[in-house]
Amino acid sequence: GAVVSQHPSWVICKSGTSVKIECRSLDFQATTMFWYRQFPKQSLMLMATSNEGSKATYEQGVEKDKFLINHASLTLSTLTVTSAHPEDSSFYICSAKSGRDSYNEQFFGPGTRLTVL
Amino acid sequence: QKEVEQDPGPLSVPEGAIVSLNCTYSNSAFQYFMWYRQYSRKGPELLMYTYSSGNKEDGRFTAQVDKSSKYISLFIRDSQPSDSATYLCAMGQYYGQNFVFGPGTRLSVLP
Repeated sequence: GAVVSQHPSWVICKSGTSVKIECRSLDFQATTMFWYRQFPKQSLMLMATSNEGSKATYEQGVEKDKFLINHASLTLSTLTVTSAHPEDSSFYICSAKSGRDSYNEQFFGPGTRLTVL
Repeated sequence: QKEVEQDPGPLSVPEGAIVSLNCTYSNSAFQYFMWYRQYSRKGPELLMYTYSSGNKEDGRFTAQVDKSSKYISLFIRDSQPSDSATYLCAMGQYYGQNFVFGPGTRLSVLP
């Protein structure tokens, strides 16, 4: 299957700082990437959908000014958590799919664990 | 009522047992049903997907969908310690687009 990487795999930051998480599709071009958040023992919650070259579509309740998403190329999307607070501590997972065809499978990255002190 | 419900477990079984994992859902528009396996501190990996009602088998794994009851199942035969993980069901109206995930069931297969 296709490979999606995330960097960093874990990050610890101080409250009030910003953190950038990268999601890369290594062996395919991802026209669409999804960003999820997963709290301990809970399910994945979709935060936003980004299509290459256009603005991300955020799910209800997700602050677009706090969670900045950039999908500037077909292999890279970034999520920036701005002015992070302890309640933003979570496991952030991206997924990518290769075409706009609804039948394309999503491939998940390994996740990034964010801890805000 | 949550859109997708799944018993969170944890579920502990001895090696070699048959495991049954289940999800129920409320949205009758869902047509694609997926099962993902997630190891601790890792991203989910797709195990199986099915379209509409019916059964699908892949090795030791069998997925069943009963749309009339809004109920899906994943069976694992001859379970192995390496099957110990969290199993997430997911479903959607269109495959590859936004899925709704269940909360996951933690499975431990004891040697």
